[in-house]
Amino acid sequence: GDSVTQMEGPVTLSEEAFLTINCTYTATGYPSLFWYVQYPGEGLQLLLKATKADDKGSNKGFEATYRKETTSFHLEKGSVQVSDSAVYFCALGSYNQGGKLIFGQGTELSVKP
Amino acid sequence: GAVVSQHPSRVICKSGTSVKIECRSLDFQATTMFWYRQFPKQSLMLMATSNEGSKATYEQGVEKDKFLINHASLTLSTLTVTSAHPEDSSFYICSAPYHNEQFFGPGTRLTVL
Repeated sequence: GDSVTQMEGPVTLSEEAFLTINCTYTATGYPSLFWYVQYPGEGLQLLLKATKADDKGSNKGFEATYRKETTSFHLEKGSVQVSDSAVYFCALGSYNQGGKLIFGQGTELSVKP
Repeated sequence: GAVVSQHPSRVICKSGTSVKIECRSLDFQATTMFWYRQFPKQSLMLMATSNEGSKATYEQGVEKDKFLINHASLTLSTLTVTSAHPEDSSFYICSAPYHNEQFFGPGTRLTVL
């Protein structure tokens, strides 16, 4: 079945460091790919998405490119801030399956001043 | 934007009792809602798809008689954990699709003593 694998956390960075969180997927068909963020004590929020191969999703300085050839959707940010500390989830979904999402295990990011 | 609420946010119950968790779409209608379970430091596991006007669709390995789902209206789905036991303690999250995006509730923390 479909699955998502993320790099394990926790990831600890200093402010203004470069961030990469790796995500690879296995899927039949042509899913959409998502990054969700969960701040402490809050619900999941959509960070960015890409709906087809070679699409780049971007938001709040974060970027991820849908790479079909490597089945990857790595999250990057050039300069992280303390406020980016959260848990990040990579997910895939297919709207012909009603919109349900398959999540990776989540990566906790901690940014130190 | 689309808002999904959950009630209660936290519940503590005794082993053997049943607990009902509500998921509401506040400003849109949802014929489908999804229920997830999240263990500490782990990913979200899709439990079931709640369908308005018909039976829920459960993922493999999820006990239908343990986790009763009722999609009572276009804005309300309920998850009832029947005869709860300590191993049912978890964080339960619902989501609803709106304009090709999933919106998540803030989650319900269930603790079974």
